Amino acid sequence: GNSVTQMEGPVTLSEEAFLTINCTYTATGYPSLFWYVQYPGEGLQLLLKATKADDKGSNKGFEATYRKETTSFHLEKGSVQVSDSAVYFCALTGTASKLTFGTGTRLQVTL
Amino acid sequence: DAGVTQSPTHLIKTRGQQVTLRCSPKSGHDTVSWYQQALGQGPQFIFQYYEEEERQRGNFPDRFSGHQFPNYSSELNVNALLLGDSALYLCASSLGGLFNQPQHFGDGTRLSIL
Repeated sequence: GNSVTQMEGPVTLSEEAFLTINCTYTATGYPSLFWYVQYPGEGLQLLLKATKADDKGSNKGFEATYRKETTSFHLEKGSVQVSDSAVYFCALTGTASKLTFGTGTRLQVTL
Repeated sequence: DAGVTQSPTHLIKTRGQQVTLRCSPKSGHDTVSWYQQALGQGPQFIFQYYEEEERQRGNFPDRFSGHQFPNYSSELNVNALLLGDSALYLCASSLGGLFNQPQHFGDGTRLSIL
C-alpha cells in the first residue's frame, strides 16, 4: 500500500534560518503529493502540491519538488519566521483520492 | 466564500454511547472525506462520500458509518464508542473526488470518550 515517511521532529530553528523537512513516499503509479500545515487547535491547511514528476509546488515562501527518481518531496523555506511554527504533514493520493499522511513534523521557530 | 465547517467543535461522551458529527463542504465542492487524527499522529482516512454514496473506505470497523445529503453535507456516526475513539475528527471536501484535486479541511471536532 501507499505510505509516507517524514523526518521526526521537533525541528527547532532560529528566525531567518533555512528549513528543510524531508519526506519520502512509497506508492504505485504516479501519485499526487501535498504538504499540509496544522496550527495549534486548527484543522489542516493546504500549503502546496505537485501532481507530476519534476513539478515544483510553492506557496508563502515554501517550496517542494516532486522527485520520482528518489521518491521524495522535501519541503524547504529560505528564511523561517516565528509565525511558521506549526506541524507540517506530507501526504499523497494514489489512484484513489484518499490522502495518506506522514506522522507530521513539528517546527518551532524562536527569536 | 465559506470554507469547510464542522460541528460541534468539542464533544464529550462515555463508552458505549453513540455520536453524530456534521460537516458542510466548501462552496462548490461535492465530495466529502472523513479522517481520524489521534494525538500526535497524522490523519487516518475513514471514508469518502460522493453523489450520496460511500465511494472509498479505510481500515475502520462498521461502527463507523456515514451519510451524504443532496446538498453535499455529510454526517459521521460512531456507535458503541470505545476509549480509543478519542481523537480529532476532520472533514475534508473536494471537487469530483479526483485524486489530484486538493482537499480542504475543516477545523475538526474533538471527541473525548470517558
